[in-house]
Amino acid sequence: AQSVTQLGSHVSVSEGALVLLRCNYSSSVPPYLFWYVQYPNQGLQLLLKYTSAATLVKGINGFEAEFKKSETSFHLTKPSAHMSDAAEYFCAVSEGGSQGNLIFGKGTKLSVKP
Amino acid sequence: NAGVTQTPKFRVLKTGQSMTLLCAQDMNHEYMYWYRQDPGMGLRLIHYSVGEGTTAKGEVPDGYNVSRLKKQNFLLGLESAAPSQTSVYFCASSFLDRLGGYTFGSGTRLTVV
Repeated sequence: AQSVTQLGSHVSVSEGALVLLRCNYSSSVPPYLFWYVQYPNQGLQLLLKYTSAATLVKGINGFEAEFKKSETSFHLTKPSAHMSDAAEYFCAVSEGGSQGNLIFGKGTKLSVKP
Repeated sequence: NAGVTQTPKFRVLKTGQSMTLLCAQDMNHEYMYWYRQDPGMGLRLIHYSVGEGTTAKGEVPDGYNVSRLKKQNFLLGLESAAPSQTSVYFCASSFLDRLGGYTFGSGTRLTVV
């Protein structure tokens, strides 16, 4: 069965520092992977997705993620954190190819210190 | 273009009461989903629908019922609310091909006392 594990329920960085949010997946089929962001009191918004094309995926707001099959990872990064990046981030894997339901990780709350 | 609209946004219920949460989407999406979000648990799928007139169980379906009488609407019902159902509920929708991702509503915060 497909699953995702997000390492670290809380991550705190200083403004301008590198953001690294970790996601490892388990999948018996070639995975489709997603990162979503949730700002306080809002729904989830799609940040970026990996659908078996380029392994380095660029998303909105300067975020990117790299698919590493050998490490079963899909970590999210941003070179320089901004105060507006403070939010909760969710990694998700498709349950079974392009027509599978999404399985979400438990989320990582990102805090950005001035 | 409203996307996915959930009503109500907040609700307080007494144990044993019933209620229905409404989700409406205007993107002509085939698939619709109901999730609950609890602290430290992420999002868990309650029920989903692959088209008008169809529903299926997700990971945590007990205590909930759903209906999809029209393509654009997906209703989540609680017949006899319990404190364990205190949560934030999110509706989402997508095309048949999920590679476009899901579009989420803004959520309903439900408290059962």
